[in-house]
Amino acid sequence: QVRLQESGPGLVKPSQTLSLTCAVSGGSISSGDFSWTWIRQAPGKGLEWIGYIYYGGVTYYNPSLKSRLTISIDTPRNQFSLNLSSVTAADTAVYFCARALVGQWYFDFWGRGALVTVSS
Amino acid sequence: SYVLTQAPSVSVAPGQTARITCGGNNIGTKSVHWYQQRPGQAPVVVVRDDTDRPSGIPERFSGSNSGNTATLTISGVEAGDEAEYFCQVWDSSSDHPGVFGGGTKLIVL
Repeated sequence: QVRLQESGPGLVKPSQTLSLTCAVSGGSISSGDFSWTWIRQAPGKGLEWIGYIYYGGVTYYNPSLKSRLTISIDTPRNQFSLNLSSVTAADTAVYFCARALVGQWYFDFWGRGALVTVSS
Repeated sequence: SYVLTQAPSVSVAPGQTARITCGGNNIGTKSVHWYQQRPGQAPVVVVRDDTDRPSGIPERFSGSNSGNTATLTISGVEAGDEAEYFCQVWDSSSDHPGVFGGGTKLIVL
């Protein structure tokens, strides 16, 4: 069974960089069958697709976040990461990592989510 | 970018049928996926590719998609079905391909 687990600081100051890591177990992040995705959910709001990374380092970002966003992959550690710079209170959300099947593009496995609050 | 529209809430009595809709321009030409999210938990896919139910999802959950509306139908609603439901498509022609609907809260009366 594939498992994903987010980790990172729960509190980030405005203008700083939000950094999260998603550790994948039960499956290889190097598989070309899957993309590795970040999704967030602001308090009481819906889901927002942030972007994904594909084996080989190919990335695709939400245009509204693209200028501040970097998603990277660490295949030896079987994990991928999110860096979002210049954060504001509007970036406060639960951040989920998830796996999507390339070609079908639905999210079959999710992490439990990590709440990140942007506040001074 | 592509927009998916969902009603904020749907109310249904136990044992009845709940229909949760997801509107989008020519959504019938796209594959629609449905997620159930209980409070404090990650979403779980309950219907994928319009009509396919993953293993472990009760047969009470079904989906359809035609024209400008996709529908998630839950038959014989149970109290445990009370949750938020999101539709999702992948718009490969867009620079913002990952799209979710705003979510519908299913309230079991």
